[in-house]
Amino acid sequence: AQTVTQSQPEMSVQEAETVTLSCTYDTSESDYYLFWYKQPPSRQMILVIRQEAYKQQNATENRFSVNFQKAAKSFSLKISDSQLGDAAMYFCAYRSDGANSKLTFGKGITLSVRP
Amino acid sequence: GAGVSQSPSNKVTEKGKDVELRCDPISGHTALYWYRQSLGQGLEFLIYFQGNSAPDKSGLPSDRFSAERTGGSVSTLTIQRTQQEDSAVYLCASSLAQVPRTDTQYFGPGTRLTVL
Repeated sequence: AQTVTQSQPEMSVQEAETVTLSCTYDTSESDYYLFWYKQPPSRQMILVIRQEAYKQQNATENRFSVNFQKAAKSFSLKISDSQLGDAAMYFCAYRSDGANSKLTFGKGITLSVRP
Repeated sequence: GAGVSQSPSNKVTEKGKDVELRCDPISGHTALYWYRQSLGQGLEFLIYFQGNSAPDKSGLPSDRFSAERTGGSVSTLTIQRTQQEDSAVYLCASSLAQVPRTDTQYFGPGTRLTVL
């Protein structure tokens, strides 16, 4: 079974600074997908970024980028130019390859942004 | 277009009562997932539907939990004889499920269930 570990329960960042959220996972599969989801107090899970394991290039979405290290099974999220609206809980998630597959989530990390 | 919707937003019930939670997926999405988010267990998968059938029910914690999906659209999660440990946020997600490499699950706002 796959597992996802987010070892930092909380982090804080100054507005406009950069922060990196860590995630490691364990799997014996070679093809899979990794995701970062954001959950604000409204509870709505919002997809931030996704990475396909077969792609060596790290995914980027505006101020969000990942550092995907397949051999190390590490998938960290970097948020640049942090904004107050980035404050939320962030979940790292794993999905196996295949037509349809459940998401396996880490415990999440609460990010606060200091003005 | 409209996103995934869930009702009710909040539900308070007494121990031993039955509850029904509803999920309306994005139109055209054939795959539907239920997850549970609790303080102690984090986010856990419960059940997955493809169309009206449920090929993966492995996450349902007990036989008090059941779910159905009708018309390939709306899904209902039913919890019988609720217990205090059932208190959690129940999240629903849907996806197109056509191209695995680009498939993305979109989540609803969840139903917060409190069992007194």
